[in-house]
Amino acid sequence: KAGVTQTPRYLIKTRGQQVTLSCSPISGHRSVSWYQQTPGQGLQFLFEYFSETQRNKGNFPGRFSGRQFSNSRSEMNVSTLELGDSALYLCASSVTRGGALSTEQFFGPGTRLTVL
Amino acid sequence: AQSVTQLDSQVPVFEEAPVELRCNYSSSVSVYLFWYVQYPNQGLQLLLKYLSGSTLVESINGFEAEFNKSQTSFHLRKPSVHISDTAEYFCAVTRNSGNTPLVFGKGTRLSVIA
Repeated sequence: KAGVTQTPRYLIKTRGQQVTLSCSPISGHRSVSWYQQTPGQGLQFLFEYFSETQRNKGNFPGRFSGRQFSNSRSEMNVSTLELGDSALYLCASSVTRGGALSTEQFFGPGTRLTVL
Repeated sequence: AQSVTQLDSQVPVFEEAPVELRCNYSSSVSVYLFWYVQYPNQGLQLLLKYLSGSTLVESINGFEAEFNKSQTSFHLRKPSVHISDTAEYFCAVTRNSGNTPLVFGKGTRLSVIA
């Protein structure tokens, strides 16, 4: 079974630009979560999507948005990039049974975003 | 809300020596606890988890962690480390009801020295 895949693996952007990151979950997984990882703040939860609906949201500004498609693939978008957005963005997928989130999340390798 | 404190940001240890990575959590409700490991340039992998039952949980590669409710701790231990254990280790918590996200500690970088 293929794992969680994220594309691209590396991105370099300049301040003010926008960026879209993609995540393909493990087949059969309907929940996708996004996390931002930085040396200073560690791992912080961005949002979670289930059945194309945002079910949980972390404490990030509105410049960070996401969506999920009917095949469970998810994208996240960051508009008007700032230097502080440089980070590793991790996607995780999870099985859901009856809508309840499984206790195990499977992580992708991440997309490393550098903002210059 | 839940929070996690990993008391050591870096832990150097010689090969074949024992190691303990400390994790304390804060929560007003019952929780599930996890340890994840991140190798360089990779995502996170689940190492072990406590959901209920026995307070001592083990992984397939020799790590174990003990849930201590009175001390709100979930320390990770290994009696003899290998070079290949060099990685960053994250403790995480989530409440045991509802669809709530994981809350991670800041991580502990374990460096095994030959």
